[in-house]
Amino acid sequence: DVKVTQSSRYLVKRTGEKVFLECVQDMDHENMFWYRQDPGLGLRLIYFSYDVKMKEKGDIPEGYSVSREKKERFSLILESASTNQTSMYLCASSLWAGQGALSPLHFGNGTRLTVT
Amino acid sequence: QQQVKQSPQSLIVQKGGIPIINCAYENTAFDYFPWYQQFPGKGPALLIAIRPDVSEKKEGRFTISFNKSAKQFSLHIMDSQPGDSATYFCAAKNAGNNRKLIWGLGTSLAVNP
Repeated sequence: DVKVTQSSRYLVKRTGEKVFLECVQDMDHENMFWYRQDPGLGLRLIYFSYDVKMKEKGDIPEGYSVSREKKERFSLILESASTNQTSMYLCASSLWAGQGALSPLHFGNGTRLTVT
Repeated sequence: QQQVKQSPQSLIVQKGGIPIINCAYENTAFDYFPWYQQFPGKGPALLIAIRPDVSEKKEGRFTISFNKSAKQFSLHIMDSQPGDSATYFCAAKNAGNNRKLIWGLGTSLAVNP
């Protein structure tokens, strides 16, 4: 069974702090994703990575960066946390299924970040 | 711009009822339509998915109906149970980009005992 583990379930940070959210998957998946989930706004893609050291911007990358130094680990970085980044952050991974295909996304259980 | 429009936002049914969640899209390049189920405190998980060459797909009590000409697809839950209470997301994949999903905004379903 695929396991996607997010390092923290709850996190409280102060405005202006640099915040690291960590995600590890144990199934050798090529693709990894960071989403944020807010009531009424669904799932919004922040960044994704399809290989080590590779990354692509999602729909809302502003204020975020990512790092993927190892295949199993994908980190989301808030360079200077702001109150509007208070949200639920979800990490996901998926296998590269070849051109024209998309294998299921496997999500972690989320990190609820509060920025005060 | 919302490329996949999901409705209703929330839904309450009695046990045994058949909740129906609808999604509509405009982009004819979409070629894969999954539904994800999310329980409170958990991440979403794939429930069922369909490709546009099929009009219906069933997995247990869950059925996707797909209407290619209307560019709509829907999730039906037969004989719904309180344990089906969750948030349901529809999504779509563009044939030209097989790494990324376009998501609906979600439907919060409550099944009363």
